[in-house]
Amino acid sequence: NAGVTQTPKFQVLKTGQSMTLQCAQDMNHEYMSWYRQDPGMGLRLIHYSVGAGITDQGEVPNGYNVSRSTTEDFPLRLLSAAPSQTSVYFCASSSFRQEYSPLHFGNGTRLTVT
Amino acid sequence: DQQVKQNSPSLSVQEGRISILNCDYTNSMFDYFLWYKKYPAEGPTFLISISSIKDKNEDGRFTVFLNKSAKHLSLHIVPSQPGDSAVYFCAASVVNTGANSKLTFGKGITLSVRP
Repeated sequence: NAGVTQTPKFQVLKTGQSMTLQCAQDMNHEYMSWYRQDPGMGLRLIHYSVGAGITDQGEVPNGYNVSRSTTEDFPLRLLSAAPSQTSVYFCASSSFRQEYSPLHFGNGTRLTVT
Repeated sequence: DQQVKQNSPSLSVQEGRISILNCDYTNSMFDYFLWYKKYPAEGPTFLISISSIKDKNEDGRFTVFLNKSAKHLSLHIVPSQPGDSAVYFCAASVVNTGANSKLTFGKGITLSVRP
């Protein structure tokens, strides 16, 4: 059972480049989300989705786009990378079928923007 | 404005003793609280949670206490083991927006358990 899978594990970008962070889950979870973790800042919500075709902004959405065409996948796009986007990115999912079902996190993508 | 605060960045305890990790929140709408544990190079994993209708929840060596009037919760680990050394995040949510979904996290506490 793979759970939440994130690729790549590491990525280095130059300022202005674009890229997509991939996230896939095999638990048929309705809810998916992206967080970033920065030193001294904890985890902050970027975007989230409550089902295919539905996305919404979190606390720090600027500079990121998302889409949810399938239940399984929730990619995060950086259109023009900036050094301020250097961070560790975590994708997470959970089920609405169980009350209080906790978030399941992937192992993260460490992104450096130079 | 930080709505979930973990004011102590680190804690060191002796193996076998109790670890007490504290968390404060400012948003009175929060009614569901969780603790996550994170090892280096891994994602956070769920540890224990508590609904605001309770003041205590226990799971093995882990107990979470909630004091709603003080907007304070704490995680007790007894006895502490070296494998408990990790970063612990406190998180909170509002149930009617999805108790398990849109979480607000604290900055985390690094727990070191000395053998």
